[in-house]
Amino acid sequence: EVQLLESGGGLVQPGGSLRLSCSASGFTVSSYAMSWVRQAPGKGLEWVSVISGSGDSTDYADSVKGRFTISRDNSKNTLFLQMNSLRAEDTAVYYCAKEPYYEFLTGYDFFDYWGQGTLVTVSS
Amino acid sequence: DIQMTQSPSSLSASVGDRVTITCRASQGIGTYLNWYQQTPGKAPKLLIYAASALHSGVPSRFSGSASGTDFTLTISSLQPDDFATYYCQQSFTSPRTFGQGTKVEIK
Repeated sequence: EVQLLESGGGLVQPGGSLRLSCSASGFTVSSYAMSWVRQAPGKGLEWVSVISGSGDSTDYADSVKGRFTISRDNSKNTLFLQMNSLRAEDTAVYYCAKEPYYEFLTGYDFFDYWGQGTLVTVSS
Repeated sequence: DIQMTQSPSSLSASVGDRVTITCRASQGIGTYLNWYQQTPGKAPKLLIYAASALHSGVPSRFSGSASGTDFTLTISSLQPDDFATYYCQQSFTSPRTFGQGTKVEIK
């Protein structure tokens, strides 16, 4: 059974940093592209970042480019999101999501399994 | 960025009703369109991918269709578990964008 478990969220001051983790079970993260998707309180879904199965390719939403870094540790079957220079508008529940293929933006890709999410609150 | 516009933003329906939700893309995206269901406090779940393919384990009362830049999610007979918010999402190009959501409420 595919399971994703996020951790690392919490309260952080503007300008601060956090590192989110997503521990996977039931599949090997290095075999699939993996994404982070966030949802601000009471709002819709926003894709944040993706990493290919190899880890060689990454992509980011403009809103986080230059501040967030996605990575993976295949030995721990875990995905990460390093978030720096946090802003109030980054406040959201952050979900990790598995994609169906090794590469991303193949066209017919989607988010087939999601974690339960971890809340990040940026406030002074 | 490709804008995805859903209509309506919310609707009220009864158990057993046929429900249709529309999603319009701001430019052509082929059939690179997915639908998700989210209940309060829970993660989204994939319902349909590639505009009309049913994800594993999703009940057959859910279906999707495409016509140009317009996409439709249909629930043939609304069940109690279906009261939720539904999102469309395009996978044609980066950034992959979502619609604003359609909340299906109990009448």
